[in-house]
Amino acid sequence: KAGVTQTPRYLIKTRGQQVTLSCSPISGHRSVSWYQQTPGQGLQFLFEYFSETQRNKGNFPGRFSGRQFSNSRSEMNVSTLELGDSALYLCASSAGGTMNTEAFFGQGTRLTVV
Amino acid sequence: GESVGLHLPTLSVQEGDNSIINCAYSNSASDYFIWYKQESGKGPQFIIDIRSNMDKRQGQRVTVLLNKTVKHLSLQIAATQPGDSAVYFCAELAGGYQKVTFGTGTKLQVIP
Repeated sequence: KAGVTQTPRYLIKTRGQQVTLSCSPISGHRSVSWYQQTPGQGLQFLFEYFSETQRNKGNFPGRFSGRQFSNSRSEMNVSTLELGDSALYLCASSAGGTMNTEAFFGQGTRLTVV
Repeated sequence: GESVGLHLPTLSVQEGDNSIINCAYSNSASDYFIWYKQESGKGPQFIIDIRSNMDKRQGQRVTVLLNKTVKHLSLQIAATQPGDSAVYFCAELAGGYQKVTFGTGTKLQVIP
């Protein structure tokens, strides 16, 4: 069974540009969550999607957005990139539903903003 | 200004010894807790979980203890091996995975 796949693995963007990251969850998983990991702030929750709907959102500015498709694949978009957006962006998938269930993480996309 | 990097506490353990990693959580309403292991260049990997109606759960070589009175969680690794070297962090959830808070992490170094 394939794990969570994130693409691309590495990305370098210029300040002011926008970026789209992709996450393919484990087959059958309907929940996809996104996280930002930095040395300064640790691992922080961005948002979670379930069945194409955003169920919850962390404390990030509106420049960070996402969506989920009918096949559960998810994309995350960051507009007007800032230097501080440089981070490892992780997504995790789980079966979802209303109960807490184990989530599986991808290897992440390392974004560097210059 | 320049941001200060997160200083991860480091635990150095001799190979074969037991390791204990601690985590203080913040939300008394948290009802589900998970320990993750993150190796360099990889995403976090689920190790073990525990629900708030339990105070102990055992896995293979790992045990999680939950003390709700003092909001403390610990991970015990028996017979620590070099492959256990990684950053370990806890996660607390209240009302579903969409409301998850992660601890800052502890770096475990296993000395061969």
